[in-house]
Amino acid sequence: DQQVKQNSPSLSVQEGRISILNCDYTNSMFDYFLWYKKYPAEGPTFLISISSIKDKNEDGRFTVFLNKSAKHLSLHIVPSQPGDSAVYFCAAAGGKLIFGQGTELSVKP
Amino acid sequence: GAVVSQHPSWVICKSGTSVKIECRSLDFQATTMFWYRQFPKQSLMLMATSNEGSKATYEQGVEKDKFLINHASLTLSTLTVTSAHPEDSSFYICSARGQGDYYEQYFGPGTRLTVT
Repeated sequence: DQQVKQNSPSLSVQEGRISILNCDYTNSMFDYFLWYKKYPAEGPTFLISISSIKDKNEDGRFTVFLNKSAKHLSLHIVPSQPGDSAVYFCAAAGGKLIFGQGTELSVKP
Repeated sequence: GAVVSQHPSWVICKSGTSVKIECRSLDFQATTMFWYRQFPKQSLMLMATSNEGSKATYEQGVEKDKFLINHASLTLSTLTVTSAHPEDSSFYICSARGQGDYYEQYFGPGTRLTVT
Protein backbone atom coordinates (compact mmCIF):
# COMPACT_ATOMS: atom_id res chain seq x y z
CA ASP A 1 0.00 0.00 0.00
CA GLN A 2 1.73 3.12 -1.27
CA GLN A 3 1.08 5.88 1.25
CA VAL A 4 3.02 8.48 -0.69
CA LYS A 5 2.64 8.61 -4.45
CA GLN A 6 4.34 10.52 -7.19
CA ASN A 7 2.32 9.62 -10.22
CA SER A 8 4.58 11.20 -12.82
CA PRO A 9 7.75 9.16 -13.28
CA SER A 10 9.28 11.84 -15.46
CA LEU A 11 8.95 15.49 -16.39
CA SER A 12 10.70 17.51 -19.08
CA VAL A 13 10.87 21.29 -18.88
CA GLN A 14 12.60 24.02 -20.84
CA GLU A 15 15.27 26.02 -19.08
CA GLY A 16 13.85 29.17 -17.49
CA ARG A 17 10.32 27.80 -17.25
CA ILE A 18 8.55 26.52 -14.15
CA SER A 19 8.84 22.89 -13.05
CA ILE A 20 5.97 21.53 -11.01
CA LEU A 21 6.40 18.19 -9.29
CA ASN A 22 3.40 16.63 -7.60
CA CYS A 23 2.94 14.29 -4.68
CA ASP A 24 -0.14 12.73 -3.09
CA TYR A 25 -0.48 11.01 0.24
CA THR A 26 -3.15 8.94 1.90
CA ASN A 27 -2.51 9.23 5.63
CA SER A 28 -3.93 12.38 7.19
CA MET A 29 -1.76 11.80 10.26
CA PHE A 30 1.39 12.86 8.40
CA ASP A 31 2.42 16.22 9.82
CA TYR A 32 5.60 17.07 7.97
CA PHE A 33 6.68 16.73 4.39
CA LEU A 34 10.07 16.94 2.74
CA TRP A 35 11.45 17.09 -0.77
CA TYR A 36 14.77 15.50 -1.65
CA LYS A 37 16.83 15.70 -4.82
CA LYS A 38 18.85 12.72 -5.94
CA TYR A 39 21.47 12.21 -8.62
CA PRO A 40 22.27 8.71 -9.88
CA ALA A 41 24.54 6.70 -7.57
CA GLU A 42 24.34 9.36 -4.88
CA GLY A 43 22.34 9.77 -1.71
CA PRO A 44 19.36 12.16 -1.59
CA THR A 45 19.98 15.74 -0.57
CA PHE A 46 17.41 17.71 1.36
CA LEU A 47 15.75 20.53 -0.56
CA ILE A 48 12.82 21.97 1.32
CA SER A 49 10.18 20.95 3.81
CA ILE A 50 6.79 22.03 5.06
CA SER A 51 4.86 21.50 8.23
CA SER A 52 1.21 20.56 8.06
CA ILE A 53 0.30 23.79 9.83
CA LYS A 54 1.44 25.74 6.78
CA ASP A 55 0.29 25.73 3.19
CA LYS A 56 3.38 27.23 1.59
CA ASN A 57 7.10 27.39 2.19
CA GLU A 58 9.55 29.18 -0.03
CA ASP A 59 13.32 28.97 -0.31
CA GLY A 60 14.88 30.77 -3.23
CA ARG A 61 13.77 29.14 -6.46
CA PHE A 62 11.95 26.37 -4.61
CA THR A 63 8.45 26.62 -3.23
CA VAL A 64 6.43 23.82 -1.72
CA PHE A 65 2.65 24.03 -1.53
CA LEU A 66 0.53 21.84 0.72
CA ASN A 67 -3.18 21.22 0.24
CA LYS A 68 -4.24 19.20 3.27
CA SER A 69 -7.83 18.75 2.21
CA ALA A 70 -6.69 17.18 -1.05
CA LYS A 71 -3.72 15.41 0.61
CA HIS A 72 -1.54 16.86 -2.08
CA LEU A 73 1.71 18.72 -2.16
CA SER A 74 3.72 20.17 -4.98
CA LEU A 75 7.21 21.48 -5.51
CA HIS A 76 7.66 24.47 -7.81
CA ILE A 77 11.05 25.33 -9.23
CA VAL A 78 11.27 28.74 -10.87
CA PRO A 79 13.20 29.35 -13.02
CA SER A 80 14.31 25.83 -13.86
CA GLN A 81 17.97 25.31 -14.64
CA PRO A 82 19.76 22.41 -16.35
CA GLY A 83 21.48 21.65 -13.04
CA ASP A 84 18.09 20.90 -11.55
CA SER A 85 17.91 17.75 -13.67
CA ALA A 86 17.69 14.90 -11.15
CA VAL A 87 15.18 12.61 -9.48
CA TYR A 88 12.99 14.34 -6.93
CA PHE A 89 11.45 12.43 -4.05
CA CYS A 90 8.76 13.67 -1.75
CA ALA A 91 8.62 12.14 1.70
CA ALA A 92 6.10 12.21 4.49
CA ALA A 93 7.18 12.08 8.10
CA GLY A 94 5.23 9.97 10.51
CA GLY A 95 7.93 8.79 12.85
CA LYS A 96 9.90 7.56 9.90
CA LEU A 97 10.15 8.94 6.39
CA ILE A 98 7.96 7.37 3.76
CA PHE A 99 9.10 8.15 0.25
CA GLY A 100 7.25 8.45 -3.01
CA GLN A 101 8.52 6.71 -6.11
CA GLY A 102 10.32 9.76 -7.41
CA THR A 103 9.96 11.96 -10.48
CA GLU A 104 12.84 12.34 -12.88
CA LEU A 105 13.11 15.97 -13.93
CA SER A 106 14.94 16.88 -17.09
CA VAL A 107 15.58 20.57 -17.74
CA LYS A 108 16.59 21.19 -21.32
CA PRO A 109 18.70 24.19 -22.34
CA GLY B 1 27.29 20.75 8.31
CA ALA B 2 25.31 17.51 8.59
CA VAL B 3 27.60 15.37 6.46
CA VAL B 4 27.15 11.63 6.30
CA SER B 5 29.69 9.35 4.67
CA GLN B 6 29.46 5.75 3.55
CA HIS B 7 32.18 3.27 2.86
CA PRO B 8 32.72 1.62 0.50
CA SER B 9 30.98 3.48 -2.31
CA TRP B 10 30.81 0.29 -4.33
CA VAL B 11 31.66 -3.34 -3.70
CA ILE B 12 31.57 -6.55 -5.68
CA CYS B 13 31.49 -9.81 -3.79
CA LYS B 14 30.96 -13.47 -4.51
CA SER B 15 27.76 -15.26 -3.61
CA GLY B 16 27.90 -16.68 -0.10
CA THR B 17 30.30 -14.13 1.33
CA SER B 18 29.49 -11.29 3.75
CA VAL B 19 29.91 -7.59 3.14
CA LYS B 20 30.06 -4.77 5.69
CA ILE B 21 29.01 -1.22 4.86
CA GLU B 22 29.89 1.64 7.17
CA CYS B 23 27.89 4.81 7.72
CA ARG B 24 29.40 7.73 9.60
CA SER B 25 28.06 11.10 10.65
CA LEU B 26 31.08 13.37 10.28
CA ASP B 27 30.10 16.57 12.01
CA PHE B 28 27.21 15.72 14.28
CA GLN B 29 26.09 13.02 16.65
CA ALA B 30 23.50 10.74 15.14
CA THR B 31 21.11 9.45 17.73
CA THR B 32 19.24 7.53 15.06
CA MET B 33 20.45 6.02 11.83
CA PHE B 34 18.41 4.50 9.05
CA TRP B 35 19.26 2.01 6.33
CA TYR B 36 17.49 2.12 2.99
CA ARG B 37 17.64 0.06 -0.13
CA GLN B 38 16.90 1.32 -3.60
CA PHE B 39 16.29 -0.73 -6.72
CA PRO B 40 16.68 0.92 -10.13
CA LYS B 41 13.89 3.37 -10.93
CA GLN B 42 12.24 2.70 -7.59
CA SER B 43 11.73 4.46 -4.32
CA LEU B 44 13.88 4.26 -1.24
CA MET B 45 12.68 1.40 0.91
CA LEU B 46 13.42 1.64 4.61
CA MET B 47 15.08 -1.52 5.87
CA ALA B 48 15.72 -0.72 9.51
CA THR B 49 16.08 1.98 12.11
CA SER B 50 18.81 1.90 14.70
CA ASN B 51 19.36 3.94 17.82
CA GLU B 52 22.79 4.16 19.36
CA GLY B 53 23.40 1.39 21.83
CA SER B 54 20.21 -0.53 21.17
CA LYS B 55 19.01 -3.17 18.77
CA ALA B 56 17.81 -2.14 15.36
CA THR B 57 14.14 -2.16 14.46
CA TYR B 58 13.58 -3.91 11.17
CA GLU B 59 10.79 -3.23 8.71
CA GLN B 60 8.39 -5.98 7.82
CA GLY B 61 9.89 -8.40 5.36
CA VAL B 62 13.51 -7.56 6.10
CA GLU B 63 15.50 -10.51 7.45
CA LYS B 64 17.32 -9.37 10.57
CA ASP B 65 19.68 -12.36 10.45
CA LYS B 66 20.67 -11.51 6.93
CA PHE B 67 21.07 -7.76 7.32
CA LEU B 68 22.95 -7.23 10.57
CA ILE B 69 22.92 -3.67 11.83
CA ASN B 70 25.15 -2.32 14.54
CA HIS B 71 25.00 1.24 15.89
CA ALA B 72 27.87 1.14 18.32
CA SER B 73 28.49 4.85 18.64
CA LEU B 74 26.82 8.17 17.97
CA THR B 75 28.78 8.54 14.75
CA LEU B 76 28.93 5.04 13.30
CA SER B 77 26.47 2.44 12.12
CA THR B 78 27.29 -0.64 10.10
CA LEU B 79 25.20 -2.88 7.87
CA THR B 80 26.50 -6.37 7.22
CA VAL B 81 24.93 -8.35 4.43
CA THR B 82 25.55 -11.96 5.41
CA SER B 83 25.75 -14.85 2.95
CA ALA B 84 25.06 -12.48 0.09
CA HIS B 85 23.16 -13.66 -2.97
CA PRO B 86 22.72 -12.00 -6.37
CA GLU B 87 19.25 -10.81 -5.38
CA ASP B 88 20.89 -8.73 -2.64
CA SER B 89 22.55 -6.64 -5.31
CA SER B 90 21.23 -3.13 -4.84
CA PHE B 91 22.03 0.42 -3.84
CA TYR B 92 22.17 0.75 -0.07
CA ILE B 93 21.84 4.19 1.49
CA CYS B 94 22.13 5.20 5.11
CA SER B 95 20.82 8.33 6.73
CA ALA B 96 21.31 9.91 10.12
CA ARG B 97 19.25 12.07 12.38
CA GLY B 98 20.79 14.18 15.11
CA GLN B 99 19.57 15.24 18.50
CA GLY B 100 16.93 17.89 18.11
CA ASP B 101 16.13 16.83 14.55
CA TYR B 102 12.74 15.25 14.65
CA TYR B 103 12.09 15.02 10.94
CA GLU B 104 15.16 15.83 8.88
CA GLN B 105 17.45 13.01 7.91
CA TYR B 106 20.83 13.49 6.27
CA PHE B 107 21.76 10.90 3.72
CA GLY B 108 25.01 9.26 2.86
CA PRO B 109 26.16 8.91 -0.76
CA GLY B 110 25.12 5.27 -0.95
CA THR B 111 26.90 1.98 -1.59
CA ARG B 112 26.42 -0.04 -4.77
CA LEU B 113 26.58 -3.75 -3.92
CA THR B 114 26.94 -6.29 -6.70
CA VAL B 115 26.89 -9.98 -5.80
CA THR B 116 28.20 -12.32 -8.47
